Amino acid sequence: DTGVSQNPRHKITKRGQNVTFRCDPISEHNRLYWYRQTLGQGPEFLTYFQNEAQLEKSRLLSDRFSAERPKGSFSTLEIQRTEQGDSAMYLCASSLADRDEQFFGPGTRLTVL
Amino acid sequence: AQTVTQSQPEMSVQEAETVTLSCTYDTSESDYYLFWYKQPPSRQMILVIRQEAYKQQNATENRFSVNFQKAAKSFSLKISDSQLGDAAMYFCAIYNQGGKLIFGQGTELSVKP
Repeated sequence: DTGVSQNPRHKITKRGQNVTFRCDPISEHNRLYWYRQTLGQGPEFLTYFQNEAQLEKSRLLSDRFSAERPKGSFSTLEIQRTEQGDSAMYLCASSLADRDEQFFGPGTRLTVL
Repeated sequence: AQTVTQSQPEMSVQEAETVTLSCTYDTSESDYYLFWYKQPPSRQMILVIRQEAYKQQNATENRFSVNFQKAAKSFSLKISDSQLGDAAMYFCAIYNQGGKLIFGQGTELSVKP
């Protein structure tokens, strides 16, 4: 297993466009997390899944954001009608269970022009 | 709400010397975990060390150790025999049964040869 993977690694889009990111967790990991990291700051929690169930969403996750994890495997994070303030690194992490170490992916860097 | 504060935006250490990174946190939970994560430039975040709040003994991982002061809500990271490869952003984080990590703002560590 090569760890958590994220695609694409970089995405440049124009304001108002929709974007979708994908995260493939470590196989057999039940939990999958999404975080957002802006330059010079620590990651901020967005949402997480236990298998296919989305258990918590941050207030940072506006109506324009939606995340899914069909079949409890990979996950997608979609941002609709992107805004310049959405520019950030979007990190995905997975863990085997509650309280276990979270393994992070390399992130998807989004730039909204 | 849980918070994590890292008051040192930047730190510098001479190669082979010892450096301590500070972290304070606030939580109303009695059962929680504390972490130090390392994020090298343009590379993914990796776990350095973790501490269970119920354990009084400070965690140690090779050259990395923590000073966990539960009453003071302090969780500092000591890096001994610093190496050039230790240069990175270091994030302190807290995790509870809610399932998410709360990160501090980070400390950028530079190592001088």
